Amino acid sequence: GENVGLHLPTLSVQEGDNSIINCAYSNSASDYFIWYKQESGKGPQFIIDIRSNMDKRQGQRVTVLLNKTVKHLSLQIAATQPGDSAVYFCAENDPVKGSQGNLIFGKGTKLSVKP
Amino acid sequence: DSGVTQTPKHLITATGQRVTLRCSPRSGDLSVYWYQQSLDQGLQFLIQYYNGEERAKGNILERFSAQQFPDLHSELNLSSLELGDSALYFCASSVRPENSPLHFGNGTRLTVT
Repeated sequence: GENVGLHLPTLSVQEGDNSIINCAYSNSASDYFIWYKQESGKGPQFIIDIRSNMDKRQGQRVTVLLNKTVKHLSLQIAATQPGDSAVYFCAENDPVKGSQGNLIFGKGTKLSVKP
Repeated sequence: DSGVTQTPKHLITATGQRVTLRCSPRSGDLSVYWYQQSLDQGLQFLIQYYNGEERAKGNILERFSAQQFPDLHSELNLSSLELGDSALYFCASSVRPENSPLHFGNGTRLTVT
């Protein structure tokens, strides 16, 4: 699948456990952040987003935490299922004026869920 | 299904050739983006269009060009292809030109031999 040439961090969890995927973003001026899930052979799939005026946002089984002080983003997945196995990317918006639509992606973390 | 359609799914061509990748955005989305995903570089932004106009440019080579048509579909043209251009090319669309989730298609896998 994609990204096999990259040295991706891997997180292996047992089905039913909670997963936490971490990401350090690069630009303190970024004000919009997104998590994506990418399964083999597919494009990145939007999971959840958060703006810089928030530090936590919850979705269905997922929570994103934002710590602007240390430029850290995390994705928590509750009750992880085999279908959650994928590569997860965090992304930040490009803070340069006129380019804020562009997302800058991290390298990704591979999540493996053991049944 | 994201609603973004990309064609073709696979493309195999020789060095020096030119190819065109096509993208239809989600209904109602005015902004289209192109990204390249290679094994060693991850997802790299190439270019963004909004309502037919170029809005932002990333690490797009001069051999590459794109456009967005009045019906909002977009094409990415890659010319004088080199082996290193082999990658997955993704199109994404969004409803607003910034600070809005991008919805990705399933990509075109380009292999240059």
